[in-house]
Amino acid sequence: QVQLVQSGPELKKPGASVNVSCKASGYSFITHAMHWVRQAPGQGLEWMGWINTKTGNPTYAQGFTGRFVFSLDTSVSTAYLQISSLKVEDTAVYYCARTRFLDLWGRGTLVTVSS
Amino acid sequence: EIVLTQSPGTLSLSPGERATLSCRASQSISSAYVAWYQQKPGRAPRLLMYVASTRATGIPDRFSGSGSGTEFTLTISRLEPEDCAVYYCQQYDRPPQTFGQGTKVEI
Repeated sequence: QVQLVQSGPELKKPGASVNVSCKASGYSFITHAMHWVRQAPGQGLEWMGWINTKTGNPTYAQGFTGRFVFSLDTSVSTAYLQISSLKVEDTAVYYCARTRFLDLWGRGTLVTVSS
Repeated sequence: EIVLTQSPGTLSLSPGERATLSCRASQSISSAYVAWYQQKPGRAPRLLMYVASTRATGIPDRFSGSGSGTEFTLTISRLEPEDCAVYYCQQYDRPPQTFGQGTKVEI
């Protein structure tokens, strides 16, 4: 079955780091780029950037540079989003999605940042 | 960056009616690299259309897309209760990819 399975919800304190995983199955992982999309509570969709699954080269949207890191482990067909120095305003659902027009989405990972 | 403006913000219609959702871009989008997504509460978005008018796998033919340049439209020909959702347009022509703010369809 073609799917993206994301890791479970996270509750973190400000200043901590979080790692969100996105495991692909049912297709060849390196044939499709992986994108990341953020959705803050009650808000719309915000494109964070993407990672080339062949080369590992990431591209970040403005506003997602510095504290946000996209990475891969192609041996297990998994993409990762790491966010460091978490802020309360990072509270959101983070989605991974496949290819430019986002034809396959993970279920999302809720990251809650609260003291 | 390309700004996408969706209208109306909310559309309230009855089952069987036709829904027309608009997405206007601040710059011309080449090759109609526009997609539409449906998002129901608590769920991930689902791809409906890409390159403006191509239905994604499994999408019923009551959904159709059209447009070019700066004006794009998603039409739902005969609304069904399960079409209650927020609909987003997205451009993937030029980075950064951008989304519209969404249109909520109430039935």
